[in-house]
This record gives sequence, C-alpha cells and structure tokens, in this order.
Amino acid sequence: GENVEQHPSTLSVQEGDSAVIKCTYSDSASNYFPWYKQELGKRPQLIIDIRSNVGEKKDQRIAVTLNKTAKHFSLHITETQPEDSAVYFCAANSGGSNYKLTFGKGTLLTVNP
Amino acid sequence: DADVTQTPRNRITKTGKRIMLECSQTKGHDRMYWYRQDPGLGLQLIYYSFDVKDINKGEISDGYSVSRQAQAKFSLSLESAIPNQTALYFCATSAGAGVSTGELFFGEGSRLTVL
Repeated sequence: GENVEQHPSTLSVQEGDSAVIKCTYSDSASNYFPWYKQELGKRPQLIIDIRSNVGEKKDQRIAVTLNKTAKHFSLHITETQPEDSAVYFCAANSGGSNYKLTFGKGTLLTVNP
Repeated sequence: DADVTQTPRNRITKTGKRIMLECSQTKGHDRMYWYRQDPGLGLQLIYYSFDVKDINKGEISDGYSVSRQAQAKFSLSLESAIPNQTALYFCATSAGAGVSTGELFFGEGSRLTVL
C-alpha cells in the first residue's frame, strides 16, 4: 500500500518568514495530493490540493509543488502569520479514482509574533 | 449548513466494554470514512464505505467494526475496548466519483478514553 513520509515533524518560524513542509510517497499510481490544516482542538480542513497532471498550484500565500519522478511534494507558506500556526498533514491517494487517502504524520508549525 | 456530526464527542469507558461511535451527515455524500488520530501518528484509516452496500477495511481495522445504516449514517464499534484504543476518532465524508475534488469533510471528532 501507499506510504507517506512527512518532514519536519515540528517547524518554528518568525512571523513574515516562509515555511516549507515536504512529503514523499511510495505508490507511483498516486495521482491526488491534498494538504490539510488542523488548528488546535479543531477538525482537519483542506487548504490546497494538487493532481499529478500539474507541477505547481498556488492560492494566495500557499503553494504546493509536485515532482512525480522523485515522488515528492511540498507545501510552501509565504509571509507567515500567527494564524498559520497549526498541524499540517499531507496525503496521497492509493491510485485510481477511489480517493482512499494515506496521511503523513503531520507537521506542527508555530509562527512566532 | 450541511455538516458531519459525531456522537458522543467525549467518552470515558472501561476495558472490555462495547462502544459505538456514531456519525451522520447532511452533505449528501456517498463516501464515508472513520479515521483515528494519535499524537505524532497522523490520521490512520480504520474503515471506509463508498455506498451503503460497500464496506472496506483500512490500515488499522483490527478491533473495530462498522455499520453503514443509510447513506447518511456510518457507525464505528469497538466490541471490547482496550486501553490502546484511546484516541481521537474522526468521521469524514467525500463526494462520489465524477466530482472534481476528493476533499474530505471531517466531523468534530470523538475523544475516547479507555481505562
């Protein structure tokens, strides 16, 4: 089955700096890669996703890049703000269109004012 | 707003007891999931169902069972709870095939403590 590795497990940045979280996956058939944000005590929510037919996607201050050859994808957050502090999870599907996701173990991002 | 609702939100029980966590949704989604969250381990898939007659095991199904009573209801049972099943459990839904996004919509979570 799919295996998703996520690094780092914790990340601390100063407000205004950029943050990068990286993930690798094992299943070459995976074609859908979402990122979820979970604020303390809240439910995870989708913030951005990318499909294997594109290499990069941006939405305001967040962007995701995908390298299919190397089987890795990354989340980039620019101009970080304290409200970006949360746990971020990457995920990959198991191939095909069934959307059964395997999640990484999460990255706790702390943005210091 | 259409939502995913879990009950109970918190439960403390003893080893050996049977526990049921319930999930209902008003999103009209076909697909429903149960995930377990442990600190530092991310979200692990327990069971998933793509329609009422379809039940599939996930990564960590041992010790759990599920029932899809209707399109909108998906229950998770622990027949004989043990302490290492202490965790935060999330129900989630997603729209079916043919929809452009596979976005998961999570419930608020059910925190289970097994003493």
